[in-house]
Amino acid sequence: AQTVTQSQPEMSVQEAETVTLSCTYDTSESDYYLFWYKQPPSRQMILVIRQEAYKQQNATENRFSVNFQKAAKSFSLKISDSQLGDAAMYFCAYRSAGGDDKIIFGKGTRLHILP
Amino acid sequence: EAGVAQSPRYKIIEKRQSVAFWCNPISGHATLYWYQQILGQGPKLLIQFQNNGVVDDSQLPKDRFSAERLKGVDSTLKIQPAKLEDSAVYLCASSKALLAGGSQKEFFGPGTRLTVL
Repeated sequence: AQTVTQSQPEMSVQEAETVTLSCTYDTSESDYYLFWYKQPPSRQMILVIRQEAYKQQNATENRFSVNFQKAAKSFSLKISDSQLGDAAMYFCAYRSAGGDDKIIFGKGTRLHILP
Repeated sequence: EAGVAQSPRYKIIEKRQSVAFWCNPISGHATLYWYQQILGQGPKLLIQFQNNGVVDDSQLPKDRFSAERLKGVDSTLKIQPAKLEDSAVYLCASSKALLAGGSQKEFFGPGTRLTVL
């Protein structure tokens, strides 16, 4: 069975600085998708960024980028120029590309932005 | 575009009582998911619908939880009877695509926070 591990329960970063959230996963599949979701205190889950495992190029969405290391099964999220609105829980998630649509979430990392 | 709607937003009940949650997905979305998110943990899938059919309910405690999606649109999730460990946020999500691999984007509702006393 696939698992997703986020080893940092909480992190803090100074406003305008860069922070990296870690995620590792375990799977025997070769084709899959990886996601980072943001959940602000209002609790509405929002997709931040998505990576297809067959793509070598790291996904980027404005200030958010990932470092996808397939061999190491690592999928970290980098937030550049951190803003107060980035404060939230961040969940790393995995989904198989074949048949089973189920998303498996990590336990999350709470990110604090220090003014 | 209207998002995923859920009601109620908050519910407090005593153990052994019953409770029901409602979800209205984004118009045209074929797939609907119910997740349970216990405090301090990531969401756990309870049940997935494709139109009005169940695709995956392997993690649904069927002795007390039930869900339906009549007519393939709105869905209700029921707990009967509730236990203390059911205290959690129940998230509903929907996506457009049918089973076609993981490329479709899921949209989440605001959730219902359930407290069982």
